[in-house]
Amino acid sequence: GIQVEQSPPDLILQEGANSTLRCNFSDSVNNLQWFHQNPWGQLINLFYIPSGTKQNGRLSATTVATERYSLLYISSSQTTDSGVYFCAVVGAGSTSYGKLTFGQGTILTVHP
Amino acid sequence: DTGVSQDPRHKITKRGQNVTFRCDPISEHNRLYWYRQTLGQGPEFLTYFQNEAQLEKSRLLSDRFSAERPKGSFSTLEIQRTEQGDSAMYLCALGGSYEQYFGPGTRLTVT
Repeated sequence: GIQVEQSPPDLILQEGANSTLRCNFSDSVNNLQWFHQNPWGQLINLFYIPSGTKQNGRLSATTVATERYSLLYISSSQTTDSGVYFCAVVGAGSTSYGKLTFGQGTILTVHP
Repeated sequence: DTGVSQDPRHKITKRGQNVTFRCDPISEHNRLYWYRQTLGQGPEFLTYFQNEAQLEKSRLLSDRFSAERPKGSFSTLEIQRTEQGDSAMYLCALGGSYEQYFGPGTRLTVT
């Protein structure tokens, strides 16, 4: 099946700093989503971005499907940005039924 | 609000007991997924329903696990004879036109 690798595994920032999280995937995808998992375990949708660039406030994301990677940018980080960020993809195989394959996540800690 | 609730939010059970979790979409969704997330890992796919039909099951879903979606609305996931390795967060997700939206999850602890 499709493989998803995220880097870095851990990231520690001071409030106000910028960061870039990376997601590499091993095959063509029909869907790519970025999630933020809060301390209570809730997965919060950040972006649906199988290709192209999107921005939402301080967050933006870019997916280069032909090169099989996606980047999540966080600018002017805040302590509330802390948590685990997951990239998840749906492989382009016809029998996947839309199931998401997740990376291992990036644990982000923002200090005041 | 992601449009899906899960019950219970936390469950502590003793090894060997049976447990059942419920996923309730607030609105109609044809596609419903169950995932499992263990500590320090990303969620892993368990099973998928298109309306009431269970169309795909992961090999993670041993014969102790069973899932249903009897009327194509809510879904249940049952684990029989729980083992300590079943301790995890169990997540339900709904498939929209493009994205999936996750419920708050049920955290299971098997003692």
